[in-house]
Amino acid sequence: QKEVEQDPGPLSVPEGAIVSLNCTYSNSAFQYFMWYRQYSRKGPELLMYTYSSGNKEDGRFTAQVDKSSKYISLFIRDSQPSDSATYLCAIRQTGGSEKLVFGKGMKLTVNP
Amino acid sequence: NAGVMQNPRHLVRRRGQEARLRCSPMKGHSHVYWYRQLPEEGLKFMVYLQKENIIDESGMPKERFSAEFPKEGPSILRIQQVVRGDSAAYFCASSPTGRSLHEQFFGPGTRLTVL
Repeated sequence: QKEVEQDPGPLSVPEGAIVSLNCTYSNSAFQYFMWYRQYSRKGPELLMYTYSSGNKEDGRFTAQVDKSSKYISLFIRDSQPSDSATYLCAIRQTGGSEKLVFGKGMKLTVNP
Repeated sequence: NAGVMQNPRHLVRRRGQEARLRCSPMKGHSHVYWYRQLPEEGLKFMVYLQKENIIDESGMPKERFSAEFPKEGPSILRIQQVVRGDSAAYFCASSPTGRSLHEQFFGPGTRLTVL
């Protein structure tokens, strides 16, 4: 079983739609959860990170963590064409290496 | 404040040659990480370094790959005797000293093509 699973899509939605992106993980030691956005041929940029169960909101983006189910989500409200990118979840465990374990990434296209 | 710098951005090598990838972390950052992104794959951790120390190299292939982060100068990822399977995008990330270590800021990557 992979440590982090993410549906690679692709996902195509109309402008203004609510987008839901999800990852599951297998290791209970994972305690820190991030979402990165990567535009084509660019490096990933950090969108959000959290270390507890519950929701964290930043503008149109909401990150949700359910540790009991080992499930994390990113919601994008009022999606824009500029949101078209690949979204990667990344997870890190406490007390171990600093390394991030990434999902495969979901390619999102928002159509105007 | 300049971000993480990587060079070259694109590198073409023939099989058997050496590839050297350089990474300059953000100012004030002393933690550097290297990741590899193969086509249609997510980012895979390779190595984590602090100045003059390799902290975790659990993701490095056992042969031909090495990394360093000297006291002065950029971090270097070195691939000897490259093979076609080494073709990938290599990303460097850095994180700050003393603050939260959870944020890793990524550079633009070096795209290595092995002919």
